[in-house]
Amino acid sequence: DIQMTQSPSSVSASVGDRVTITCRASQGINDYLAWYQQKPGEAPKLLIYSASSLQSGVPFRFSGSKSGTEFTLTISGLQPEDVATYYCQKYNSAPFTFGPGTRVDVK
Amino acid sequence: QLVESGGGLVPPGGSLRLSCAASGFSLSTHNINWVRQAPGRGLDWISYINSGSNAIYYADSVKGRFTISRDNARNSVSLQMNNLRTEDTALYYCAGTVGSRTLLYWGRGTQVTVSS
Repeated sequence: DIQMTQSPSSVSASVGDRVTITCRASQGINDYLAWYQQKPGEAPKLLIYSASSLQSGVPFRFSGSKSGTEFTLTISGLQPEDVATYYCQKYNSAPFTFGPGTRVDVK
Repeated sequence: QLVESGGGLVPPGGSLRLSCAASGFSLSTHNINWVRQAPGRGLDWISYINSGSNAIYYADSVKGRFTISRDNARNSVSLQMNNLRTEDTALYYCAGTVGSRTLLYWGRGTQVTVSS
């Protein structure tokens, strides 16, 4: 099975900073990669699909990109409401594995 | 928009049947997944059923013990969980969308606790 890794496991940044989270697949998954945001006590929320397509209603400060088997979620201008754990997920073929998550805090 | 039910406390080796219902729309057109989250842990994908029920997948950790199915007449998707283990203790979410394997719509989850 394809393994998904994320780095860093946690990041603390100031309001307005640019935050970058990386997700790597152990094999090629084309563009079948989604990003989710989960705030404490809430269900996850879809942010990005097809590696770089922004889900409707998601703020434009969130963006996704792909380079080979490496995927990046960027928050351009961190806001206090962005405090959450972020997960990538592959969905090219089963199992639809999630990455281990990256916790984002505000300094 | 999605509502899970059926969770509870069950001893190891026991069974539970979870249900995912839709409020205000038809689940029959949606591809549905079950995702679980153990306390303080990450998201764990466990099962998928497509709208036509002709594509069904399971994580290795639940294969042979869990069965996903849909009942379009009741507008619901179920997860039958047998031979439960302590490591199955988690909050179970159903999630899905139309025409994609992404997880756009989520329920609030139902708690499953496996303990003697």
